[in-house]
Order: sequence, then structure tokens, then C-alpha cells
Amino acid sequence: GQQLNQSPQSMFIQEGEDVSMNCTSSSIFNTWLWYKQDPGEGPVLLIALYKAGELTSNGRLTAQFGITRKDSFLNISASIPSDVGIYFCAGLSGAQKLVFGQGTRLTINP
Amino acid sequence: NAGVTQTPKFRILKIGQSMTLQCTQDMNHNYMYWYRQDPGMGLKLIYYSVGAGITDKGEVPNGYNVSRSTTEDFPLRLELAAPSQTSVYFCASTLSGGPFIAKNIQYFGAGTRLSVL
Repeated sequence: GQQLNQSPQSMFIQEGEDVSMNCTSSSIFNTWLWYKQDPGEGPVLLIALYKAGELTSNGRLTAQFGITRKDSFLNISASIPSDVGIYFCAGLSGAQKLVFGQGTRLTINP
Repeated sequence: NAGVTQTPKFRILKIGQSMTLQCTQDMNHNYMYWYRQDPGMGLKLIYYSVGAGITDKGEVPNGYNVSRSTTEDFPLRLELAAPSQTSVYFCASTLSGGPFIAKNIQYFGAGTRLSVL
């Protein structure tokens, strides 16, 4: 089946640093989504990307939909403690089915 | 603003027992999904439904059954629980169709943490 490779698997950074993570796939997706999951909670949508090449921001978060439609990246600028969590990329396939990456666990040292 | 509600939040089962994980949404979404999340992994799709009376298999359907008798409810059934089904289960829903709909945004419940011992 379709798979997404998300990297890095984990990040340990200092508060205030910028963060970058990405997702690649061997398959084409028409929509890319980025979710954040806090402990004991379900994923919450951060950014949705609908067109190849699209660059979208949501506050300190910026995400891009790769031109080939096989990749996407998420950047977080000036990280703060509440950014801690697990970030998932997801590609949307037929019948609105999501294929998830393995997640990037972000830890921030104050 | 209930959104997607899952019950129970936690459950411990013995091998071979059965149980139903409940999921209900009050957003009149037509699409609903069940995912499982194993430790350190992303979510994998178990079953999904595009509307009442219609269900289909996802990536990892073995050992599970679903039904969709109403738009609001999408229960997931484990008939013979096995240790491999120890996981966190998430239900999600989305509204598909129409030009003014926020496209493809899936709303997730808080999850059901299941242990099979």
C-alpha cells in the first residue's frame, strides 16, 4: 500500500530555534495535511495543502506541497514550549482516506 | 461543540473477549473512519464509511468489524481480542462534497486506549 516516510523521527531543540520536518512518498497525493498530536489526544489539523507548489502559513507554521506531489515539508519558526508533541504528515488518497507518516516527536529544552 | 466522541477512553480485555468501541459525531459528517495507532507509529486505517449503510476495508481490517446504521454512529467491533490488537484507536469524520465545504479536514476523537492481555 501507499506509504509516507517522515523525517526526522525525533528532534531535540532549544526554545526559540526553528524546526523543519518533511515527508516523502513514492505515490502522488492530491492533498497533504499536517497534524499535531498531544499526549492522550487525537490528532489536530494544523495545515492543509491542496495544490502542487502551494506554500501555506498558519502563524509560526509554514508548510509546502511539493511540485512533484510526492513530498511536503513543515517549518516551525521560533519554537515555544507548547510546540512539544508529535507531528504527522498525511496524504489524502481515494475516498478521503488518509495515509499517515510515522510522526516526528518534538522535544523542546527551555 | 461535542465533535467526535469516543467511548470508552480505556479498556483492558482478556484474550478472546469481545467488545465494541463506540464513536459518534454530531457534525452531520458523511464520512467516518477508524484508525489504530501503535506505539511510536502513525495511524493506520482499519475501516471507513462514506455514508449510512456503506462500509469498506482500510489497510488493516483483519480482526475487526464495523457497521453504519446511522449518519452519527460508527461502532468498531472486536470479536476475539488478541494481544496484537493492543493499541490506541481513533475515530474520525469529515464532510465531503460541495463547493463551500472545508475540504478534506478530518476531525478526530480523543481515542480509546485498549490493552489485550
